Amino acid sequence: GAVVSQHPSRVICKSGTSVKIECRSLDFQATTMFWYRQFPKQSLMLMATSNEGSKATYEQGVEKDKFLINHASLTLSTLTVTSAHPEDSSFYICSARAGHSNQPQHFGDGTRLSIL
Amino acid sequence: DQQVKQNSPSLSVQEGRISILNCDYTNSMFDYFLWYKKYPAEGPTFLISISSIKDKNEDGRFTVFLNKSAKHLSLHIVPSQPGDSAVYFCAASAEAGNNRKLIWGLGTSLAVNP
Repeated sequence: GAVVSQHPSRVICKSGTSVKIECRSLDFQATTMFWYRQFPKQSLMLMATSNEGSKATYEQGVEKDKFLINHASLTLSTLTVTSAHPEDSSFYICSARAGHSNQPQHFGDGTRLSIL
Repeated sequence: DQQVKQNSPSLSVQEGRISILNCDYTNSMFDYFLWYKKYPAEGPTFLISISSIKDKNEDGRFTVFLNKSAKHLSLHIVPSQPGDSAVYFCAASAEAGNNRKLIWGLGTSLAVNP
């Protein structure tokens, strides 16, 4: 149980393109979903927390107009990197948590984004 | 400032022996701790957690120990198996309602040698 599917796994696109990444909880309802970014040799960096049906809470330093998050249902959240540039190239990973805040987060397999 | 520290970037252990992965934290407000395992090109997989009201939690071959006075926790894997070779992340969180979030360590790469 507790499977999270993230799609696509890899994206290579030109500078200026907007990229949408999907995160789905397949066998549970995710009250809360999280989006992380990971740079090489660094730990996961939380970008934003989203609760179903409400606006995402962004971490300090994360541009909300750059990284659009939608959590329209209990099983789906999307992250859109708008007008992506080479500095946005990174590993993006989502997680989902059911119910109580003391439940563990379950992760997707991540998306490797490369902007040329 | 790294609130969750995993000071050993790597660890090598012989198959069948015990693996001990360590984690230190600085924030006394943390009340929930988790260990995740990560293989290359995959997302982290939840292994085991512990609440600050406990000092030990066991699940099969995995045991997590929490020493609150020392702000230290450890993950013991007994017996270690080659399939346990992965990067292990320690994470901690503090009560914040629905916005409870995890603070991550940098991970320890475990190699279990046959």
